[in-house]
Amino acid sequence: NAGVTQTPKFQVLKTGQSMTLQCAQDMNHEYMSWYRQDPGMGLRLIHYSVGAGITDQGEVPNGYNVSRSTTEDFPLRLLSAAPSQTSVYFCASSTDQGGDNSPLHFGNGTRLTVT
Amino acid sequence: AQKITQTQPGMFVQEKEAVTLDCTYDTSDPSYGLFWYKQPSSGEMIFLIYQGSYDQQNATEGRYSLNFQKARKSANLVISASQLGDSAMYFCAMREGKGTYKYIFGTGTRLKVLA
Repeated sequence: NAGVTQTPKFQVLKTGQSMTLQCAQDMNHEYMSWYRQDPGMGLRLIHYSVGAGITDQGEVPNGYNVSRSTTEDFPLRLLSAAPSQTSVYFCASSTDQGGDNSPLHFGNGTRLTVT
Repeated sequence: AQKITQTQPGMFVQEKEAVTLDCTYDTSDPSYGLFWYKQPSSGEMIFLIYQGSYDQQNATEGRYSLNFQKARKSANLVISASQLGDSAMYFCAMREGKGTYKYIFGTGTRLKVLA
């Protein structure tokens, strides 16, 4: 069972470049989300989705776009990378079928550096 | 607004001793879930333990237990018989209610186990 798969693991971008971080899950989870992790700030929610065709903004959405065309995939797009977007990005999924005790399942993260 | 606070940026514990990592939360929703995650130096996020707001007993999972004090809005993680492999970053997280799907995280506590 692959769980949540994120690609790439590492990426270096120049300011102004665009790229897409890929995220796929094979657990049929309805909920998927993107977080960024910065030193001393924990994990902050960027965008999330509660099902195909439904997305919403989290705490720090500026500079990022998402879409959810299938249950399995939830890509995160950086339209014009900025040094402030240097971070570690995590994709996570969950289901409501277990009620409130459903933990987030995380991908292994993408370390992004913008120069 | 919901909030998670972890006031200990770093902690040391001697091998084989117990350690408590603090977590306080703030929410107005009577239904919520509390989670602890471990992040070793390799970077992945590992789910450790869950406590529901209506659970009468403290959650336990092996050497991990959650000291849940609802009136104080605290959900401290207790690790018994610490091992060197417990050295990691630990995050407390909360999910409000059912169907909201929004998980928020604290800033984390870095635990170092000393031989």
